[in-house]
Amino acid sequence: QQQVKQSPQSLIVQKGGISIINCAYENTAFDYFPWYQQFPGKGPALLIAIRPDVSEKKEGRFTISFNKSAKQFSLHIMDSQPGDSATYFCAASVLEYGNKLVFGAGTILRVKS
Amino acid sequence: DAGITQSPRHKVTETGTPVTLRCHQTENHRYMYWYRQDPGHGLRLIHYSYGVKDTDKGEVSDGYSVSRSKTEDFLLTLESATSSQTSVYFCAISDWQSGNTIYFGEGSWLTVV
Repeated sequence: QQQVKQSPQSLIVQKGGISIINCAYENTAFDYFPWYQQFPGKGPALLIAIRPDVSEKKEGRFTISFNKSAKQFSLHIMDSQPGDSATYFCAASVLEYGNKLVFGAGTILRVKS
Repeated sequence: DAGITQSPRHKVTETGTPVTLRCHQTENHRYMYWYRQDPGHGLRLIHYSYGVKDTDKGEVSDGYSVSRSKTEDFLLTLESATSSQTSVYFCAISDWQSGNTIYFGEGSWLTVV
């Protein structure tokens, strides 16, 4: 049972374009939704995170959109750059129960220059 | 660098042999986690710890055990390694003081032949 479903599996975007990755979750108790970025041979690193009390959070070129009623959230990367080429994971957790992250399967992003 | 050291970073072992992976943190964080990463599955929680000698199972705990005798060290043991345990293993830490951010180590690549 996959509690967090992520799409697409892979994505190719032109430099300067917008990259969009989507996730859907099932457990309505989730109250923390982070996105992680991972480069080859490295551990995942937190990119941006959102709580369900807001519908959008922006940090630089990265924006999370959150739709509580639809149980969906997405990552938008504006002005995508070749350096953004990496694997992106969405995740979800219940903070009071040890913040045990449940991850999506990941999206491999390639930004073409 | 979140002050997490995993060892060994790479290991090849034979089926049926015991293997222990070590995670050492210098951040004095309360929570520690072991995840495994496999293609198509994202990261999946094996075990986690919410304090010294306090551990609990995650989503994929069968065949694994853990121990935490000190705040800074979290050990993952494969009692009798199988080929299905060939994976990349990530240790992670978090604490309320870090704003719930979960920091990951650099990973341990384990191959069971």
